[in-house]
Amino acid sequence: AQSVTQLGSHVSVSEGALVLLRCNYSSSVPPYLFWYVQYPNQGLQLLLKYTTGATLVKGINGFEAEFKKSETSFHLTKPSAHMSDAAEYFCAVSSYNNNDMRFGAGTRLTVKP
Amino acid sequence: EAQVTQNPRYLITVTGKKLTVTCSQNMNHEYMSWYRQDPGLGLRQIYYSMNVEVTDKGDVPEGYKVSRKEKRNFPLILESPSPNQTSLYFCASSLDSFPGPEQFFGPGTRLTVL
Repeated sequence: AQSVTQLGSHVSVSEGALVLLRCNYSSSVPPYLFWYVQYPNQGLQLLLKYTTGATLVKGINGFEAEFKKSETSFHLTKPSAHMSDAAEYFCAVSSYNNNDMRFGAGTRLTVKP
Repeated sequence: EAQVTQNPRYLITVTGKKLTVTCSQNMNHEYMSWYRQDPGLGLRQIYYSMNVEVTDKGDVPEGYKVSRKEKRNFPLILESPSPNQTSLYFCASSLDSFPGPEQFFGPGTRLTVL
């Protein structure tokens, strides 16, 4: 079975500071890993994903994540936070020919002026 | 425009009154699924469908039904809603017969059961 743990249900940063949202996964097969963002009163939007190949993945809005197999991690980073980044972020894991996608509990990001 | 649509977007109902939330995708996707989102729990899968007439239970199927008579539609049915089904519901679809490498999500349906 696959699972995801997101460390920190709430993260607060100042505008311009580094954003780091942590995600650890468990999977017995090569994983597909995802970060989704949910803005208030909206659906889920894919930020970035890792399936195969390069372990550093770049996504939209300046976000990136690195797949580290040895650490079973897929942390999300952004060098400089903007007010518009305030949202809830979900990490998810799936795999080839797997019938479900498992989500973490989510991390709410607050950006202070 | 390629999209997943859900209706209604908001619904307030009373205990025991049957309701259906519709989901439709226009991308000819094989896989469709329903999730519920609750604070602190993330998204949990209710049911999924790998193809027409093929459905199976996810993690939290109790109190829900689904059907997949057409490829594009995957309605979620609550035969006798209860307050613990108050939640935010998302429909999603994927090109292949499983969710990876990418699921596309609908805008969500916020359901309140009184």
